[in-house]
Amino acid sequence: QVQLVESGGGVVQPGRSLRLSCAASGFTFSSFGMHWVRQAPGKGLEWVAAIFADGNSKYYADSVKGRFSISRDNSRNTLYLQVTSLRGEDTAVYLCARESNSDWYIDSWGQGIQVTVSS
Amino acid sequence: EIVMTQSPGTLSVSPGEGATLSCRASQAVSSNLAWYQQKPGQAPRLLIYRASTRANGIPARFSGSGSGAEFTLTISSLQSEDFAVYYCLQYYTWPRTFGQGTKVEIK
Repeated sequence: QVQLVESGGGVVQPGRSLRLSCAASGFTFSSFGMHWVRQAPGKGLEWVAAIFADGNSKYYADSVKGRFSISRDNSRNTLYLQVTSLRGEDTAVYLCARESNSDWYIDSWGQGIQVTVSS
Repeated sequence: EIVMTQSPGTLSVSPGEGATLSCRASQAVSSNLAWYQQKPGQAPRLLIYRASTRANGIPARFSGSGSGAEFTLTISSLQSEDFAVYYCLQYYTWPRTFGQGTKVEIK
């Protein structure tokens, strides 16, 4: 059974940084691409970033490019999102998601972790 | 970036009735389109991928159609558990983009 558990969120001041983690279990983590998606309060889903299974290719939404960095440690079955220069509009629930290994869609989701940017 | 536009924003439906949700892409995405259901306080759930293939465990009352830039999610007879927000996602190119969502509410 696929499990994705996010951690590392909290309340942070504007301009500061945070590292989000996503612990994966129930599947061979190193064989799957992974994504981060966020959802601002009362809003829809916004795709944030993705990383290939081997970690060699990474993609970002324009809204976070240059400020956020996705990475993974396949030996620890963990996905990361380093978020820097945080702004109020980054306040959201951040969800970790797995990509299907037969196609490119997202097939599984974590429950998400809240990040609140506030002074 | 490809812009995904869903309509309507809100759909009011009585239980047992059918519902048709639309998703339009600003450029063709082939059949690289998925649909997700999200209930309050829950993670999204995959319903449909490749525009028309139901995910494991998804009831047959959910069906997807379309290709290119126009897609439809049809729920044939709404059950109480189907009232939720539905999102489309294009995975044809980077960056991935979601539609803004359609809320299906009880009439």
